[in-house]
Amino acid sequence: DAKTTQPPSMDCAEGRAANLPCNHSTISGNEYVYWYRQIHSQGPQYIIHGLKNNETNEMASLIITEDRKSSTLILPHATLRDTAVYYCIAVPSGNTPLVFGKGTRLSVIA
Amino acid sequence: DGGITQSPKYLFRKEGQNVTLSCEQNLNHDAMYWYRQDPGQGLRLIYYSQIVNDFQKGDIAEGYSVSREKKESFPLTVTSAQKNPTAFYLCASAQGPGGLYEQYFGPGTRLTVT
Repeated sequence: DAKTTQPPSMDCAEGRAANLPCNHSTISGNEYVYWYRQIHSQGPQYIIHGLKNNETNEMASLIITEDRKSSTLILPHATLRDTAVYYCIAVPSGNTPLVFGKGTRLSVIA
Repeated sequence: DGGITQSPKYLFRKEGQNVTLSCEQNLNHDAMYWYRQDPGQGLRLIYYSQIVNDFQKGDIAEGYSVSREKKESFPLTVTSAQKNPTAFYLCASAQGPGGLYEQYFGPGTRLTVT
């Protein structure tokens, strides 16, 4: 499985866009990029995923570079409730379970 | 409401005692998972089950046991053989096996062993 690298922490001002980077330079062609987030003392929550194309849903946008070696999760208008740990995971097809790293701790500041 | 329930939210035990953590889901999901989380760390997979009456060890299965006799239930027993059992335990379920199926997590059980 491709290993992902994320910065340990980031700050973002409330109302601004939060851009969370993820490096996955060894990702293979059949591995998807998934994002989950975990608010303090709760279970993680799925956000979005993609393979090659950029994706958008009601929570966030996912931008994947053309060479697929990195991606960025964008929260367009961060709120205090977006303060959480964000996990970027490279997921192959098949039955392999998810492998969570340490993620990025995003602090949204008023 | 459909979802995953874990009970209790907080659990305290004396060292040397086995303890069973409950996980129930009414989402009709085939796959279920148990993770452990230590402070400041990511989630580590303990056991997972892709179908009833079948389960596989994850990365840190030593000192733990599970059963999957019913589709909706996947209890985890923390045995006295687990060296450092104090942790936050999370259960998850998914419609199918593997990471491509979105995982739904329960609220977690915080276990403290003294």
